[in-house]
Amino acid sequence: GAVVSQHPSRVICKSGTSVKIECRSLDFQATTMFWYRQFPKQSLMLMATSNEGSKATYEQGVEKDKFLINHASLTLSTLTVTSAHPEDSSFYICSARDHLLNTIYFGEGSWLTVV
Amino acid sequence: DAKTTQPTSMDCAEGRAANLPCNHSTISGNEYVYWYRQIHSQGPQYIIHGLKNNETNEMASLIITEDRKSSTLILPHATLRDTAVYYCIVRDSGNQFYFGTGTSLTVIP
Repeated sequence: GAVVSQHPSRVICKSGTSVKIECRSLDFQATTMFWYRQFPKQSLMLMATSNEGSKATYEQGVEKDKFLINHASLTLSTLTVTSAHPEDSSFYICSARDHLLNTIYFGEGSWLTVV
Repeated sequence: DAKTTQPTSMDCAEGRAANLPCNHSTISGNEYVYWYRQIHSQGPQYIIHGLKNNETNEMASLIITEDRKSSTLILPHATLRDTAVYYCIVRDSGNQFYFGTGTSLTVIP
């Protein structure tokens, strides 16, 4: 079964509103989680690295004030898309590092549609 | 940035072995090679990873060349459900995963 879970799997929101996506590690504690975005027929693009108890590290070109990341516990990271715009419509995927197995596991992904 | 090169697409007959190559000529000594696959509209699924030695698990085998500049993922008996995009990624113990374009594998009946 899945070891990293995302919620919601699909969400539709209106332009200008904010939407939160949750990422949970189910079987292990994850001090580090990662958020990706994927547009149709393209590869995954790393947006940011989420560190438990500290600020996230954002990739170049990703607006930190628009994509708010919170990693308040060892099993939960959240991504909040603020002032959503139709261009933010995408497939958002999180992943979490299992240090014991030296492996990164991915969530099922969340489809965001901004109308 | 992605540090790997993979063919854009491959076909494989059902029941045959699928051999997916990956070049990572700039790999450093402490970087691992990871393989994931992504079926349409799902998150990537972990397949296997290795550092120097060849690895095998219930899903696949990973063959890493002695100079570590390339590797091959082997699916021993491909099924239709193995149709997916396969990503080869190199990463050291502290860094993130950066995805390349991957190989789109189509298993043909």
